[in-house]
This record gives sequence, structure tokens and C-alpha cells, in this order.
Amino acid sequence: NAGVMQNPRHLVRRRGQEARLRCSPMKGHSHVYWYRQLPEEGLKFMVYLQKENIIDESGMPKERFSAEFPKEGPSILRIQQVVRGDSAAYFCASSPPAGPLTGEQYFGPGTRLTVT
Amino acid sequence: KQEVTQIPAALSVPEGENLVLNCSFTDSAIYNLQWFRQDPGKGLTSLLLIQSSQREQTSGRLNASLDKSSGRSTLYIAASQPGDSATYLCAVGPNAGNNRKLIWGLGTSLAVNP
Repeated sequence: NAGVMQNPRHLVRRRGQEARLRCSPMKGHSHVYWYRQLPEEGLKFMVYLQKENIIDESGMPKERFSAEFPKEGPSILRIQQVVRGDSAAYFCASSPPAGPLTGEQYFGPGTRLTVT
Repeated sequence: KQEVTQIPAALSVPEGENLVLNCSFTDSAIYNLQWFRQDPGKGLTSLLLIQSSQREQTSGRLNASLDKSSGRSTLYIAASQPGDSATYLCAVGPNAGNNRKLIWGLGTSLAVNP
């Protein structure tokens, strides 16, 4: 059973471009969480999704950021018109349907976004 | 609002020492607490998960305790090795319905010197 997969592992974008980060949860997992780790800062929750539903997006910046988790395919975190302050490591975690009750989340290796 | 604090921020010890990492949280209404390890430039490895009803969990040389009423958890590492060098993160799962988003401390950066 493959773990949580994220791609790309490293992404370089120029200011103003769009960044798309992908997360494939573990097999059988239907819950996805996105976290961001800014340089020299702790991890911060961004968004919690179930298939085709955004459950909690309280950690998402109000503009330029969006997330989806379609019925088929990976979860996508999309950042439009990137700025230097978006440079960070973005981690995805997944949990099984019982996950929210046990709290166990399984993390991917992260995508390191660099905005030049 | 839940806040998680980890002390110390950095720790350097000689190989073989037993050591304790501390994590405190401001709201005792938690669902669980997890300890993770992060190596430089790498992802997160889950070490131990303690449910709110539990007092401790053990895995090999690692032991994590939880005192929910005082808002504290400790991670004990026995007989430390250079391979234990990493950043150790504490994360709290708040007791908020079915949403188990984690709230994180800033971590303790551990260096074990041979």
C-alpha cells in the first residue's frame, strides 16, 4: 500500500505564475488535509477536504488559494499569481473514513515551492 | 484558541544520553496528541499518537506521556544516537466534531553528537 504521494516534490515558479500541487491519498483514504510550513515557522493548517467537499478552509488565505478533492483523481492545491511569500513547504495528509475519529493522519513528503 | 509550545527550541547532547522534549498546550480539550520527526528538507514521520484517554505510548526507545489536565506532553528518548538528530514536532488534534486538523508547535531541533 503506497503512502501519501505528492508531486511535484520541488516546484519553482516566477512571481505571477500559477502553482498546482497534487496530493494522492493512501488507498482507501477519503479525507485530505493540507498544511503549509513557512521558512522558520511552524506548520499551519490550511484546508480539510473530503471527496467533492471542502469541510474546513479556515486556514486558507482569502485570495489566490483554492483546493479541491474531486471524486476521481488527486487533491489539488492551487495558488494563483504566486508571490515570494508563498515560498514554503506544502504538506498533504490523508486519513481513512475512521480517521477523523482516531485522529491518525498520514503525511506525504511535501512539495517545496520556491517563487523567484 | 489552542496554542502549542515546545521547549527547548534546540538541544545538543552527546551520544548515549537520555533526554526529554517538552510540549505544552493551552486548551486541555484535545482529542489526541502526536509526536512527529522531521529531517532537514524532508517530510514528516509519525512517531507516537496518544489519544486523550491515554496516559502514554511507547515505541522502541521512545516514550510519550500525556497529562491533559495540565496541558503537557513529554517525549522521552532513551540512549540517544546520532541518527536521532532531527526536529521533533508536537501536534494537537482539537476536540472539534469530526475535524481533526492538527495544531503544531514550532519543534525542538535535536543534535546528538557522536
